[in-house]
Amino acid sequence: ETGVTQTPRHLVMGMTNKKSLKCEQHLGHNAMYWYKQSAKKPLELMFVYNFKEQTENNSVPSRFSPECPNSSHLFLHLHTLQPEDSALYLCASSQGGLSGIYNEQFFGPGTRLTVL
Amino acid sequence: GESVGLHLPTLSVQEGDNSIINCAYSNSASDYFIWYKQESGKGPQFIIDIRSNMDKRQGQRVTVLLNKTVKHLSLQIAATQPGDSAVYFCAENETGRRALTFGSGTRLQVQP
Repeated sequence: ETGVTQTPRHLVMGMTNKKSLKCEQHLGHNAMYWYKQSAKKPLELMFVYNFKEQTENNSVPSRFSPECPNSSHLFLHLHTLQPEDSALYLCASSQGGLSGIYNEQFFGPGTRLTVL
Repeated sequence: GESVGLHLPTLSVQEGDNSIINCAYSNSASDYFIWYKQESGKGPQFIIDIRSNMDKRQGQRVTVLLNKTVKHLSLQIAATQPGDSAVYFCAENETGRRALTFGSGTRLQVQP
């Protein structure tokens, strides 16, 4: 167990649905990340949060909306998704914070999302 | 959790043999490198890392070699076991960047 949990593990949704993915880290880290892993591309960074502040948005479409209420929790709100958004969505955390350690990232098991 | 459908290079080895997985990177300013292992249904798991002031680092049954001249990284697994079957990713970072850049991965298949 890596100390990073994600729920749900599997999600099937229609294009008009609104759903949210949840990530929680129990490692005392300050930085959290959302990645997308799809069938045709390597791991793609989506968002980075450090001390609850978004520090990177990697040109992600607005139908993906992240939320970081505190350093331990990260959400990804989904609405009006497209079938090509079907992928494994991975959350990660690292020490981050004032120490600036972003390298050693610990991943959750991911949410397998299918958009119909 | 595997990259199903992605055309990954595949390395097939016999149980007990040594495995070498290679990775090329493009950013000459990268100064930190990690190898991750991703088993089916799981997220990537940290295996070993190396900083650019080193050219070799050893862990338990694994060794990472870094050749900065040709921007090449390799992961050596000694006495490969069936439990080593997974997709292996290299990742790189440059001091100051807040995110890793991942390679596309190599699938390792261990034949019993």
